[in-house]
Amino acid sequence: ELKVEQNPLFLSMQEGKNYTIYCNYSTTSDRLYWYRQDPGKSLESLFVLLSNGAVKQEGRLMASLDTKARLSTLHITAAVHDLSATYFCAVLSFGNEKLTFGTGTRLTIIP
Amino acid sequence: GAGVSQSPSNKVTEKGKDVELRCDPISGHTALYWYRQSLGQGLEFLIYFQGNSAPDKSGLPSDRFSAERTGGSVSTLTIQRTQQEDSAVYLCASSPTAVRQETQYFGPGTRLLVL
Repeated sequence: ELKVEQNPLFLSMQEGKNYTIYCNYSTTSDRLYWYRQDPGKSLESLFVLLSNGAVKQEGRLMASLDTKARLSTLHITAAVHDLSATYFCAVLSFGNEKLTFGTGTRLTIIP
Repeated sequence: GAGVSQSPSNKVTEKGKDVELRCDPISGHTALYWYRQSLGQGLEFLIYFQGNSAPDKSGLPSDRFSAERTGGSVSTLTIQRTQQEDSAVYLCASSPTAVRQETQYFGPGTRLLVL
């Protein structure tokens, strides 16, 4: 059974700082997704990582995938308050279309 | 353009009653998914529809849960004899084709509270 772990679960950081959220998964996969969720809202797609070594960047967020290490990272550069949200990674199992989500990382950016 | 829509946005029901949750996917999207988000269990896959293929029901937690998709578009998730542990946010998502090549677009969710 595929298990997806994120850490940290909670992250409070000051504006302007850099930090990384980690997503580990337990079985082989080559498809990983990052989503953002604001309080009381639905999930917004951020990145789709489709191969080993994939790196994608959007604004202050950059995501990468290492399928050999079964690890994805979401790096935040020079954080701003607007980035406060909960971030989820999700991994697609081979042979089916079922996404398994991580526990989420609740990010709070302090002015 | 219009995104995924779900109704109702909130539903309060009594234990033992049946509920129906509706999802309208983005027009033209052939793949449709239901997930459940609760405090204790996080985000869980429930069921997946792709075109006219048999749905993947492997995530449905019990036989009280069922879903159908009519005409390859609108989907209804039905929970029979609701229990308090069914309280959660039920999220629907759609994608243009199978997700292996595409991201999923999520609806706003239905917040279900079983008293």
